[in-house]
Amino acid sequence: QVQLVESGGGVVQPGRSLRLSCAASGFIFRDYAMHWVRQAPGKGLEWVAFISYDGNREQYADSVKGRFTISRDYSKNALYLQMNSLRAEDTALYHCAKENKFCSGDTCYYPFDYWGQGTLVTVSS
Amino acid sequence: QSVLTQPPSMSGAPGQRVTVSCTGSSSNIGAPYDVNWYQYLPGTAPKLLIYGDSNRPSGIPDRFSGSKSGTSASLAITGLQAEDEADYYCQSYDSSLSGWVFGGGTKLTVL
Repeated sequence: QVQLVESGGGVVQPGRSLRLSCAASGFIFRDYAMHWVRQAPGKGLEWVAFISYDGNREQYADSVKGRFTISRDYSKNALYLQMNSLRAEDTALYHCAKENKFCSGDTCYYPFDYWGQGTLVTVSS
Repeated sequence: QSVLTQPPSMSGAPGQRVTVSCTGSSSNIGAPYDVNWYQYLPGTAPKLLIYGDSNRPSGIPDRFSGSKSGTSASLAITGLQAEDEADYYCQSYDSSLSGWVFGGGTKLTVL
């Protein structure tokens, strides 16, 4: 069965860095695009970053662009999020999510079909 | 302020039907980009309920259904059960932002 397990969260001071990891299993990792999504305390879900199945395309939310970098390691079936210049507003539970492709006739859809439970990042002095 | 607008909360009695709305714009739902719906209990892994506006993944009961019209989408839950008490999020893609967007979430309470 598909499993996504995040790790690497913790308490970090503003301006410092942190790297999150997501261990993937139960599916062919190299075949699927992946995302990071976060939920700040008391707030809704916020998409953070995307990486294509082959690692050639990345996209970022404006709120993290230039500070966060998404990457993946096919030998380890792992997804990463390097977070630099952290701010208090980056405090959140960070989930990794697998994007799938469902097709019906000529139409295909790309929802996030599996998610991890998340790892908590707290940015505080 | 979320790009997609949902009611913050809703409630219903067991067995009733509730409909959660999700309002967007011409750069996302109306573009038209697909709408997906997720069920989320904070601190757990969100679950995909509906994809491509109205399709259910395998294992999702037919009590859950989705629809879309213009710049809005809806998630309907019939035969409400206590286990349906959760947060529900709509999600789409936004061409102006060049990224994926979520609604603010709707907290459903089963009375």
